[in-house]
Amino acid sequence: LAKTTQPISMDSYEGQEVNITCSHNNIATNDYITWYQQFPSQGPRFIIQGYKTKVTNEVASLFIPADRKSSTLSLPRVSLSDTAVYYCLFPASGGYNKLIFGAGTRLAVHP
Amino acid sequence: EAGVAQSPRYKIIEKRQSVAFWCNPISGHATLYWYQQILGQGPKLLIQFQNNGVVDDSQLPKDRFSAERLKGVDSTLKIQPAKLEDSAVYLCASSYTGGVAEAFFGQGTRLTVV
Repeated sequence: LAKTTQPISMDSYEGQEVNITCSHNNIATNDYITWYQQFPSQGPRFIIQGYKTKVTNEVASLFIPADRKSSTLSLPRVSLSDTAVYYCLFPASGGYNKLIFGAGTRLAVHP
Repeated sequence: EAGVAQSPRYKIIEKRQSVAFWCNPISGHATLYWYQQILGQGPKLLIQFQNNGVVDDSQLPKDRFSAERLKGVDSTLKIQPAKLEDSAVYLCASSYTGGVAEAFFGQGTRLTVV
């Protein structure tokens, strides 16, 4: 089964950049790395996905080193509304897109 | 584009009673998931459908939980009989078939078993 390791919690302040690192030592060659965000009382929401190097969208950036055994989600200039749980996972490509969530990282942004 | 619809939003039942949850995925999405999320934990995959066929139900407690997806569209998840430890949020999600397609989640049904 896909296995990821993330910090349980992080704290930050408004306006700071937040980097959340995920370890995935057993990622397969064809697996993509995907991050989801979950607010209280809501279902998870897709943030970003990548295979290697760097991916950026309007919400975040994703950095993936050459060995792909880890990835870092970067949230620029966080606000209070970024307080949420962030999950790293890798659905297998070419298969049935099985999504296995870990415990995630609980990010608290303070004023 | 309409999102994933779930009902009811909240349900309170007594232990040993039965309960059913309904999910209407995004139109055209072949893959449908049901998750159980206990407070403070990540979502746990219960069952995954590809159209109306089951591709994974390894984590579904089959002695009390059942799910179906008739005609490959709507789905229902049933618990019978419920236990106290079934208290959780039940999330439904859908995505396009295959690969690494983005999954869209509903708001969930919060079940309390007393």
